[in-house]
Amino acid sequence: EAEVAQSPRYKITEKSQAVAFWCDPISGHATLYWYRQILGQGPELLVQFQDESVVDDSQLPKDRFSAERLKGVDSTLKIQPAELGDSAMYLCASSGGEFYLNTEAFFGQGTRLTVV
Amino acid sequence: AQSVTQPDIHITVSEGASLELRCNYSYGATPYLFWYVQSPGQGLQLLLKYFSGDTLVQGIKGFEAEFKRSQSSFNLRKPSVHWSDAAEYFCAVGLYNQGGKLIFGQGTELSVKP
Repeated sequence: EAEVAQSPRYKITEKSQAVAFWCDPISGHATLYWYRQILGQGPELLVQFQDESVVDDSQLPKDRFSAERLKGVDSTLKIQPAELGDSAMYLCASSGGEFYLNTEAFFGQGTRLTVV
Repeated sequence: AQSVTQPDIHITVSEGASLELRCNYSYGATPYLFWYVQSPGQGLQLLLKYFSGDTLVQGIKGFEAEFKRSQSSFNLRKPSVHWSDAAEYFCAVGLYNQGGKLIFGQGTELSVKP
């Protein structure tokens, strides 16, 4: 069964350091999402790609966060510099068609980030 | 603004008992609705979804949910809970006019006692 792959699964970094997460969506999925889930809360969208284009990054803290999906396939989310408040689960999801065609998002296992 | 409310942060049920998890949403149009389950340290697994049609939808693992437009609710039910159902459950609204962006509730943690 096709899955969304994320790496690393766990990351511990010191504050002010740079950190990067990688996501490989299900093959053929044009839409890719990055969500952040703070402990005890539901996920919140950080950025959404349609192919290689950003369609929503309104909640992405652009002073320290960046995201790219250069070839419209896999994606990287970067934080520089990391802050203590960035400790969270970072979830990647992908979907295969136009949303109005009743598709749903498939989530990866996530990257648990701890900033110390 | 769109929002999802899950009134119960934590629920404990006995194994074999029935379960109902509540979800209320605020959205200005017909919503797409989802229930996801998350085990500790894991990603989200889709339990079921509602896009249109029959308001009672069946999902995996014996779960079902009913969409009630008049109450803006999409409650999740299971007639007999198993110990393996212990997890965090999230209700979400899908914004079809924003590329499928999901708005999640804060989750309900389910504990199952023997």
